[in-house]
Amino acid sequence: DAGVIQSPRHEVTEMGQEVTLRCKPISGHNSLFWYRQTMMRGLELLIYFNNNVPIDDSGMPEDRFSAKMPNASFSTLKIQPSEPRDSAVYFCASSESLDIQYFGAGTRLSVL
Amino acid sequence: EDKVVQSPLSLVVHEGDTVTLNCSYEVTNFRSLLWYKQEKKAPTFLFMLTSSGIEKKSGRLSSILDKKELFSILNITATQTGDSAVYLCAVRNNAGNMLTFGGGTRLMVKP
Repeated sequence: DAGVIQSPRHEVTEMGQEVTLRCKPISGHNSLFWYRQTMMRGLELLIYFNNNVPIDDSGMPEDRFSAKMPNASFSTLKIQPSEPRDSAVYFCASSESLDIQYFGAGTRLSVL
Repeated sequence: EDKVVQSPLSLVVHEGDTVTLNCSYEVTNFRSLLWYKQEKKAPTFLFMLTSSGIEKKSGRLSSILDKKELFSILNITATQTGDSAVYLCAVRNNAGNMLTFGGGTRLMVKP
């Protein structure tokens, strides 16, 4: 299995632009998680889906952030409009069991 | 709110040394504790612990959980430069499918 696949690996954009991050979970996994990692705050859960349904989005910082999972093999995290404070590494993870989450390589986002 | 605290924040050792990383937690209805290793990219899974006193072992790495005192340790013996990474501890409660991560311990192993 190729593991969790995220794209793009790096994204540089200007403040105010829309950013879309993409994730393909491991086939057969029924839970998908979006995390943000910064030096200051560490690894924070933004939202997670179970069977394509958003279960908990309490970690989404504000309305500028939205996430979708239209099917079992694809999810997006969108930031509109982006701000410099959104600069971070965004990880997607998936799990089959309820415990072990497997992470993608991450998208490093820089908002100028 | 679940809470995970890791110590030390960072550690510098020489190859061959043994290190012990600590993870203490506060969680309602504990289900499991997980250790991950993060090098330059994604966190990679090391261990999952659910029961006290049972050591999990993989090569030079081992981990144990104490559910009474609410902590876990990760031991690395005969460290190598390839062990240099950030080690993350996370806990899960029975209420949901979410992991709460600690801030990590940054380990540097010098030749």
